[in-house]
Amino acid sequence: EAQVTQNPRYLITVTGKKLTVTCSQNMNHEYMSWYRQDPGLGLRQIYYSMNVEVTDKGDVPEGYKVSRKEKRNFPLILESPSPNQTSLYFCASSFSRDWNQPQHFGDGTRLSIL
Amino acid sequence: EDQVTQSPEALRLQEGESSSLNCSYTVSGLRGLFWYRQDPGKGPEFLFTLYSAGEEKEKERLKATLTKKESFLHITAPKPEDSATYLCAVQARSRLTGGGNKLTFGTGTQLKVEL
Repeated sequence: EAQVTQNPRYLITVTGKKLTVTCSQNMNHEYMSWYRQDPGLGLRQIYYSMNVEVTDKGDVPEGYKVSRKEKRNFPLILESPSPNQTSLYFCASSFSRDWNQPQHFGDGTRLSIL
Repeated sequence: EDQVTQSPEALRLQEGESSSLNCSYTVSGLRGLFWYRQDPGKGPEFLFTLYSAGEEKEKERLKATLTKKESFLHITAPKPEDSATYLCAVQARSRLTGGGNKLTFGTGTQLKVEL
């Protein structure tokens, strides 16, 4: 089954404790992206990757890191999480960076930073 | 800056009661407008892409239309299983960030269809 898989689905942690949210897709997609979803603000892009070893900032990159060492994986790293990073996070992928390709989303990771 | 506004924020319908959701947008050159459906605890699920004013697309009880300033998602004779949050997103021609594939989302319309 074609899918985008995120882990963990839920995480409660404390300020300053490094964490990684994994994202994996099995569709051989070139383009991958991370979004956060907050009430009243909608989905906002954090980082994106057009292909292996090619990443760039989205609209809200502060406090986050990413890497793209393999085509299928695109982990999101919070080196020193803070409470304002409490949110619902989604990973998405599409076949290419082309504008007419719909993005496929994972089921989300709910992070609570205390 | 690209902006997407969806209305209403929430909508409650009786089964069979048709209605429309609105998505108004301001972008510097529209590449495409996307509609997604999001169920609780799930990620957005792609429904439609519209590229130019006058275009329409249909899927079961849903029909999406596009003008130069807004898009409508028409729901005909809805059923309880149509209950979800419907998200609208745009891609702009001039966006250099997001690798050309960046989506700017609205905050969604939460639809509830009751028996």
